[in-house]
Amino acid sequence: NAGVTQTPKFQVLKTGQSMTLQCAQDMNHNSMYWYRQDPGMGLRLIYYSASEGTTDKGEVPNGYNVSRLNKREFSLRLESAAPSQTSVYFCASSEVWNRAYEQYFGPGTRLTVT
Amino acid sequence: AQSVTQLGSHVSVSEGALVLLRCNYSSSVPPYLFWYVQYPNQGLQLLLKYTSAATLVKGINGFEAEFKKSETSFHLTKPSAHMSDAAEYFCAVVLDTGRRALTFGSGTRLQVQP
Repeated sequence: NAGVTQTPKFQVLKTGQSMTLQCAQDMNHNSMYWYRQDPGMGLRLIYYSASEGTTDKGEVPNGYNVSRLNKREFSLRLESAAPSQTSVYFCASSEVWNRAYEQYFGPGTRLTVT
Repeated sequence: AQSVTQLGSHVSVSEGALVLLRCNYSSSVPPYLFWYVQYPNQGLQLLLKYTSAATLVKGINGFEAEFKKSETSFHLTKPSAHMSDAAEYFCAVVLDTGRRALTFGSGTRLQVQP
């Protein structure tokens, strides 16, 4: 099992450019999440998907869009990157049925917007 | 309002000394509480979780945490620090069981001195 995988690992964008961060999980989890991590602020939820076909906004959704492509994949898109979106992005997944709520994280994507 | 507070953004201990990382939460419902560890340039790994079964929770790598409802605390401890424990530690809570997303504290960086 690879767990949660993310691509790319690193990316540098210029202001105004767009890109899509990819996330996939092979644990057959229903729920998937996108977080951003900034120094001194912990992780903040951008978007989540409770199940295939559904998505919803988290704490900091402005400037982002998501697509739950299928049960395995959940992508995050930046349509017009801004320097404020420089961050480390983490994808996570969790199961629903056991009510454990624990989440499994990918290795992260380090994004710099200049 | 801050829902998860970690006291001390940096904690330094000597190898072999007690590790104590503090976490307080605010929640109007019985919480699901977690501690995650993040090693440099890696994703988050679950250390332990509290889901109302027992107040003293044992996790991986010799860590444990005690849930104290009266103090709304979930402090993380380890009797004897090892150099390999140097990392950043995050306390997290599920505030919304509907969407199952985690709310994270701002993190505590643990340094272990030889």
